[in-house]
Amino acid sequence: GNSVTQMEGPVTLSEEAFLTINCTYTATGYPSLFWYVQYPGEGLQLLLKATKADDKGSNKGFEATYRKETTSFHLEKGSVQVSDSAVYFCALSNNQGGKLIFGQGTELSVKP
Amino acid sequence: DTEVTQTPKHLVMGMTNKKSLKCEQHMGHRAMYWYKQKAKKPPELMFVYSYEKLSINESVPSRFSPECPNSSLLNLHLHALQPEDSALYLCASSQVRLTGNTIYFGEGSWLTVV
Repeated sequence: GNSVTQMEGPVTLSEEAFLTINCTYTATGYPSLFWYVQYPGEGLQLLLKATKADDKGSNKGFEATYRKETTSFHLEKGSVQVSDSAVYFCALSNNQGGKLIFGQGTELSVKP
Repeated sequence: DTEVTQTPKHLVMGMTNKKSLKCEQHMGHRAMYWYKQKAKKPPELMFVYSYEKLSINESVPSRFSPECPNSSLLNLHLHALQPEDSALYLCASSQVRLTGNTIYFGEGSWLTVV
């Protein structure tokens, strides 16, 4: 079946540190991959996505590359800010009528 | 404009009450979704509507009743809820139900059942 595994949080970083949040998936065929972000007290916002192998999604300084050989979609940012503190969800969509399969979420806290 | 609007933002209801959550989108999307999210957990799919017809019901208890009056609106009718139903209810939409289509979420409705 389809599943997503994310690194467990919480992750605490100092401002301007480098961020990596690991995400691996299990799926048959060619899923689409997403990162969503949820700021405190808010809904989910799409951060970036990739729909085929070797695609790189990017937005607001965040990047993730769809690696089919390692079934991974790790989220990176070169220099985090306090405003990046949020919960980050990796998700996939795979021939289930658009249904999203979410990872467990990774809480990021950035300290000044 | 990628916006899904949900009302109310907060709702407190008793176990014998009947209330409704409302969702609206004006992006021309033909797929709409209800998700339930408990604190610090990922959203769980409840219902999917495609072209105003119910496509997926993830074995949700009948005390939750969805309705899609038209392509822009989605309601979730609530009746005889339990305290464990307290959660954030998220509405979402996408162009159609296809792999790769982005699903856009609203801000959610925080429901407390007392």
